[in-house]
Amino acid sequence: AQSVAQPEDQVNVAEGNPLTVKCTYSVSGNPYLFWYVQYPNRGLQFLLKYITGDNLVKGSYGFEAEFNKSQTSFHLKKPSALVSDSALYFCAVSPNTGFQKLVFGTGTRLLVSP
Amino acid sequence: NAGVTQTPKFQVLKTGQSMTLQCAQDMNHNSMYWYRQDPGMGLRLIYYSASEGTTDKGEVPNGYNVSRLNKREFSLRLESAAPSQTSVYFCASSVTGTGAEETQYFGPGTRLLVL
Repeated sequence: AQSVAQPEDQVNVAEGNPLTVKCTYSVSGNPYLFWYVQYPNRGLQFLLKYITGDNLVKGSYGFEAEFNKSQTSFHLKKPSALVSDSALYFCAVSPNTGFQKLVFGTGTRLLVSP
Repeated sequence: NAGVTQTPKFQVLKTGQSMTLQCAQDMNHNSMYWYRQDPGMGLRLIYYSASEGTTDKGEVPNGYNVSRLNKREFSLRLESAAPSQTSVYFCASSVTGTGAEETQYFGPGTRLLVL
């Protein structure tokens, strides 16, 4: 069965500093990996996904993520954090065959301080 | 283009009461999903509909029923609400669902409190 782990409940970073939100996964075969963001009282918004190809994926709002197959990780990164990046971030995985059934991690709250 | 809409936004029920959560999408997507979000547990799939006329159980279907009314609408029904069903419910849709790489688009959520 597929699973996702987000080991940090919360990540604190100062505005302007780089940020990393960690994600590791377990899935049979090659994975499809996603990052979603949730702002307060809102639904999830898609940030980026890894399907195949380049291990560095660029997404919305300056975010990027690096797929590392040997470490089964898909960490979310941004070179310079903004206060407005403060939100709840979810990593999700889907096997690359059959109907899509996303399995989500438990979420990491990112708090960017001014 | 409203995307995915959900009604109501918030609901309080007493144990044993029933209610239906409504979801509609205007993106001409074939596949629709219902999730629940609980603190510390992320999102869990309740039911999904790969296409109009089909529905299937997800990870946590007990206590719920669904109806894919047409291509646009996918409703979630609680026949006899229990406090364990207190949660935030999200509806989502995707183009076909058969491409595992597809992006899912989420509604704003329904916050349900069962007393």
